[in-house]
Amino acid sequence: EDKVVQSPLSLVVHEGDTVTLNCSYEVTNFRSLLWYKQEKKAPTFLFMLTSSGIEKKSGRLSSILDKKELFSILNITATQTGDSAIYLCAVEANFGNEKLTFGTGTRLTIIP
Amino acid sequence: KAGVTQTPRYLIKTRGQQVTLSCSPISGHRSVSWYQQTPGQGLQFLFEYFSETQRNKGNFPGRFSGRQFSNSRSEMNVSTLELGDSALYLCASSYFVRSSTDTQYFGPGTRLTVL
Repeated sequence: EDKVVQSPLSLVVHEGDTVTLNCSYEVTNFRSLLWYKQEKKAPTFLFMLTSSGIEKKSGRLSSILDKKELFSILNITATQTGDSAIYLCAVEANFGNEKLTFGTGTRLTIIP
Repeated sequence: KAGVTQTPRYLIKTRGQQVTLSCSPISGHRSVSWYQQTPGQGLQFLFEYFSETQRNKGNFPGRFSGRQFSNSRSEMNVSTLELGDSALYLCASSYFVRSSTDTQYFGPGTRLTVL
């Protein structure tokens, strides 16, 4: 059964700190890994990663995938209170049935 | 451009009843995916519809079904409700099938409570 594990489960840091969120996975016929940010209800898409070693960047957020070690990290630099949210990692499986398996998320709280 | 809309936003049902949830995608989007989110299991993928056809399905029992209409609006139906079906049900839309696009827009969700 496909599995996605995120760590830490929760994290509290001060504004301006840099954080690293982890996502490890076990999936048959891996296709891609996705990161989402969920603040109140609707998740918003952040990144989709398919190739190992290629960093994706959007402002203060960046993410990289290691397909050999089966994990990904999401980095947020110079954190702001608006970064407080649950960050979800999901892994997409093969071409036959492209279902998504989500981790339980990391709850990030930024203290002003 | 209007976002993804879901109706109703809140719903209370009793065990054994059935429920139908509706999702209207962003105009022009042809893919609609459904997700269930609970505190215990997190976010789980239910199924995806594209051009009125179910493309992918998660690991949910047959009580969970869906369909998509020619205008891309989608409905999800849950029959014989169980207490464990209490959850936030999210739908998301994209222009292309979800697996070939990196942009998917979520609706605000329908909070279903089963008593």
